[in-house]
Amino acid sequence: NAGVTQTPKFRVLKTGQSMTLLCAQDMNHEYMYWYRQDPGMGLRLIHYSVGEGTTAKGEVPDGYNVSRLKKQNFLLGLESAAPSQTSVYFCASSGTPVAKNIQYFGAGTRLSVL
Amino acid sequence: AQSVAQPEDQVNVAEGNPLTVKCTYSVSGNPYLFWYVQYPNRGLQFLLKYITGDNLVKGSYGFEAEFNKSQTSFHLKKPSALVSDSALYFCAVRDIETGGFKTIFGAGTRLFVKA
Repeated sequence: NAGVTQTPKFRVLKTGQSMTLLCAQDMNHEYMYWYRQDPGMGLRLIHYSVGEGTTAKGEVPDGYNVSRLKKQNFLLGLESAAPSQTSVYFCASSGTPVAKNIQYFGAGTRLSVL
Repeated sequence: AQSVAQPEDQVNVAEGNPLTVKCTYSVSGNPYLFWYVQYPNRGLQFLLKYITGDNLVKGSYGFEAEFNKSQTSFHLKKPSALVSDSALYFCAVRDIETGGFKTIFGAGTRLFVKA
């Protein structure tokens, strides 16, 4: 049972480059999330999705875009990477009822922007 | 607005001693509270949750948490710490005000258990 899988695990970008992070879950969950984790700041929500074809902004959405074309996949895009986007990115998914349900996390993507 | 606070950046405890990791919350209405643990280079893993019912919640790896409504706290506890419990611990609350879709995480508390 794979759970939540993130690719890639590591990436180094130059300022201005673009990339897409892929998240896949095999639990048939409706809800998916992208977070970034920075030292001393916990997890901050970037974008989330409440179902296939829907996305919504979280706490820190600027500089990121997302898509949820298939229920099992949630993509996070950086169109023009900046050093401030150096972080560890986590994807998570959750079933229903969402308010009472736990989140399952991927192993993370460590991104460095030079 | 709903929020959660973890007042300690780090907690140090000797192996075999009891441990407590503190969490306080601020919500309107009934809180849905969670604890997660993160081991190095891993994603967060669920430990336990409080939705309703008994104030003492038991979870994975021998951890438990006590919900205290009057003190708006949800402290994580374990009677006897292990070196392998050393990790980063996050308290979290569901953001019911916006439909419950989102989770608000505390900044995390690093637990260090010394042998």
